[in-house]
Amino acid sequence: QVQLVESGGGLVKPGGSLRLSCSASGFTLSDFYMSWIRQAPGKGLEWVSYISSGSADTYYADSVKGRFTISRDNAKNSLDLQINSLRVDDTAVYYCVRGHSYVYWWGQGALVTVSS
Amino acid sequence: EIVLTQSPGTLSLSPGERATLSCRASQTVSSNYLAWYQQKPGQAPRLLIYGASNRATGIPDRFSGSGSGTDFTLTITRLEPEDFAVYFCQHYVSTPFTFGPGTKVDI
Repeated sequence: QVQLVESGGGLVKPGGSLRLSCSASGFTLSDFYMSWIRQAPGKGLEWVSYISSGSADTYYADSVKGRFTISRDNAKNSLDLQINSLRVDDTAVYYCVRGHSYVYWWGQGALVTVSS
Repeated sequence: EIVLTQSPGTLSLSPGERATLSCRASQTVSSNYLAWYQQKPGQAPRLLIYGASNRATGIPDRFSGSGSGTDFTLTITRLEPEDFAVYFCQHYVSTPFTFGPGTKVDI
């Protein structure tokens, strides 16, 4: 059974940094693109970033470009999102998902709250 | 960037009724690269439909998707109590992949 488990969320001050991690199981991570999608409280969904199976192809939403870095370690079955220069409007639940088109498999989400 | 607009914002119906949700794109969604999701409070979205009309694995046949070009529809025949939720459409034509703002189906 596919499982995606996020960790690393929490409360951070504006300007701070955070690293989200996603542990993947039940499938061969190296076979798939992986993505992060976020949802601000009570709001819609935003595709934040994706990374190809070999890490050569990455995408970042304009709203996070230059501040977020996606990476993966296929050997460790993990996906990371390094978030720097956090802003209040980065407050959201961050979902680790498999794929980069439509999404069948989602993690449970990690809440990142940016507040002073 | 393809902007998706969903209507209505809220749909108030009763169990057993039919729900018709609309998703309109600002540009043609080529290859019908459009998906629909259901989301309940505190849960991750659940994929219902991909390719505009293909039901995802495990999705009951009361859910159906249709449309092409810029106009797409999600239909739920005979609403069940567990279908009351928020529904989002999403395109995956090219980046940025965007989502509609959602339609809430409530009692």
